[in-house]
Amino acid sequence: GAVVSQHPSRVICKSGTSVKIECRSLDFQATTMFWYRQFPKQSLMLMATSNEGSKATYEQGVEKDKFLINHASLTLSTLTVTSAHPEDSSFYICSARPAGYTSTDTQYFGPGTRLTVL
Amino acid sequence: QQQVKQSPQSLIVQKGGISIINCAYENTAFDYFPWYQQFPGKGPALLIAIRPDVSEKKEGRFTISFNKSAKQFSLHIMDSQPGDSATYFCAASRYGGSQGNLIFGKGTKLSVKP
Repeated sequence: GAVVSQHPSRVICKSGTSVKIECRSLDFQATTMFWYRQFPKQSLMLMATSNEGSKATYEQGVEKDKFLINHASLTLSTLTVTSAHPEDSSFYICSARPAGYTSTDTQYFGPGTRLTVL
Repeated sequence: QQQVKQSPQSLIVQKGGISIINCAYENTAFDYFPWYQQFPGKGPALLIAIRPDVSEKKEGRFTISFNKSAKQFSLHIMDSQPGDSATYFCAASRYGGSQGNLIFGKGTKLSVKP
């Protein structure tokens, strides 16, 4: 149980285009989903936190107009990188926290999406 | 300001040996300390986690030791195997916070030599 999927797993796009990444909790409902960014050989950096049905909370330094997050249902959150540029190339990872958690902060991570902007 | 410091950055261990990775935190409000294992090109997977009301937790070959007074916790991998070769991240968070965000260490790349 507690499987999180991401689609696509890998995407290559031209500079200036927009890319949408989906994050789905397959066997549980997630009121909260998190989006991370990871550069090669570095740690995960939290970009934003999304709660179902409300606006995402962005970390300092993350452009909300560039990284659009939608959490329209309890099993799906999307991250759209708008007008992507080469510096946006990175590994994007989502995680989901099960609804109704009370005693654990467990987050279940997706497999990640490798974005390459040419 | 990095709130979770992890060491070493890389670690090479012989098969059958013990791998030890250490983390130190600064925020005394943290009360949940998980360890994640990440293979190249994959997302992190939860290995084991501990809360500060216990000093040690063991699951199979993996053990977390927790020292609340020193604000340190460590991961011990007993009988290390080549399949354990991966990057390990410690993390910390504050349950009850508005978001319970995880703060990650910088990671330790473990290589287990056959």
